[in-house]
Amino acid sequence: QSVLTQPPSASGTPGQRVTVSCFGSSSNIGTKTVSWYQQLPGTAPKLLIYSNNQRPSGVPDRFSGSKSGTSASLAISGLQSEDEADYYCAAWDDSLDGWVFGGGTKLTVL
Amino acid sequence: EVQLVQSGAEVKEPGESLKISCKGSGYSFTNQWIGWVRQMPGKGLEWMGIIYPGDSDTTYSPSFQGQVTISADKSISTAYLQWSSLKASDTAVYYCARHLASSGGSSRRLDYWGQGTLVTVSS
Repeated sequence: QSVLTQPPSASGTPGQRVTVSCFGSSSNIGTKTVSWYQQLPGTAPKLLIYSNNQRPSGVPDRFSGSKSGTSASLAISGLQSEDEADYYCAAWDDSLDGWVFGGGTKLTVL
Repeated sequence: EVQLVQSGAEVKEPGESLKISCKGSGYSFTNQWIGWVRQMPGKGLEWMGIIYPGDSDTTYSPSFQGQVTISADKSISTAYLQWSSLKASDTAVYYCARHLASSGGSSRRLDYWGQGTLVTVSS
């Protein structure tokens, strides 16, 4: 049981916009920023979004993030086949004094 | 270019000890926290603990406290994760990742990740 809650799966067709939600609590998302990680099959996770809505250099602007209260969302617009991956949200948790992750959302491009 | 390069895959028997490594380059290894993350087969990411190589200050997840030891040798820019007695349930891929935090700590991220080390424990 992960501390942050994500839907296990999401899907869309090429060109569509999909969103992935992430629910936490006051000890993590409520007071700390959210980051998102993309894990392509068989590879290490990669930072996709940090500080709720910032993209590292090289991440396409099709990816965007937002946060409100104790929840966050990742949006992917103009869906492409190469976006098929697992997506994880994460935040620092003050109660744990460590990182907490969502269980991951498997995105399928139909 | 920031890189974290991890040691290779390991196959061990239950009860054996193991130490895997994560070597950083392209940045000041001493001054940035390094975290370890476990991914069991077909499962999600789990935070294990974090170390500041400059003074070896370490924090463990309660789930892993007493089960593993995290250490670092700043002279060779390398962090370690070790087990004294492996169990079959330790079979997983283990990732190291650089942890960046803003002053005050409200904004944090794991910005660079190692390629992962697969540890297989089987008799």
